[in-house]
Amino acid sequence: EPEVTQTPSHQVTQMGQEVILRCVPISNHLYFYWYRQILGQKVEFLVSFYNNEISEKSEIFDDQFSVERPDGSNFTLKIRSTKLEDSAMYFCASNTPGGTRSFYEQYFGPGTRLTVT
Amino acid sequence: KNEVEQSPQNLTAQEGEFITINCSYSVGISALHWLQQHPGGGIVSLFMLSSGKKKHGRLIATINIQEKHSSLHITASHPRDSAVYICAVPNYGGSQGNLIFGKGTKLSVKP
Repeated sequence: EPEVTQTPSHQVTQMGQEVILRCVPISNHLYFYWYRQILGQKVEFLVSFYNNEISEKSEIFDDQFSVERPDGSNFTLKIRSTKLEDSAMYFCASNTPGGTRSFYEQYFGPGTRLTVT
Repeated sequence: KNEVEQSPQNLTAQEGEFITINCSYSVGISALHWLQQHPGGGIVSLFMLSSGKKKHGRLIATINIQEKHSSLHITASHPRDSAVYICAVPNYGGSQGNLIFGKGTKLSVKP
């Protein structure tokens, strides 16, 4: 079965540095999402992306965050100037109409653990 | 915006026991997700259901749309079922869009 992949699995960065988290959604999927989970807390929505633009973003997704689909296969989340509180697990997800599963079922990637020191 | 409550927060069971985890939400939806998160942190989708009941192996999920409630059952629990089980629903109701997640139920099954 196709899978969403994410790289790297773990990223350590210093406060103030820029990081790019990469996701490869399932190839025919059209809707993409980033979620994050701070240690010990629940998973939270960051942003959704469709037709090469942001369709929705949460209040967490401020100006330091950006997303891009640079080449038709990767879907990236950039954090411009990392803060300690950005330390979290970041999950990418995707879905699409007309797939083998229900349109509404999101496929999740394994996550990238970001540690900001 | 939807709100999701899960219970219990923590659950310890002996191997072989029948497990029930509950989820309730505030805004009417057409689809609800049950997810599993292992200690390494990765999330796996277990079920997405919009009515009635679904079964996959020893896992059974039920939903009552009118009562805004879903349950996840595990029959003949096993130590490998130890994980965090998370309920998630569309934030604005319906079936699609970004998800809002419960806090999760941490299940520990002892041999």
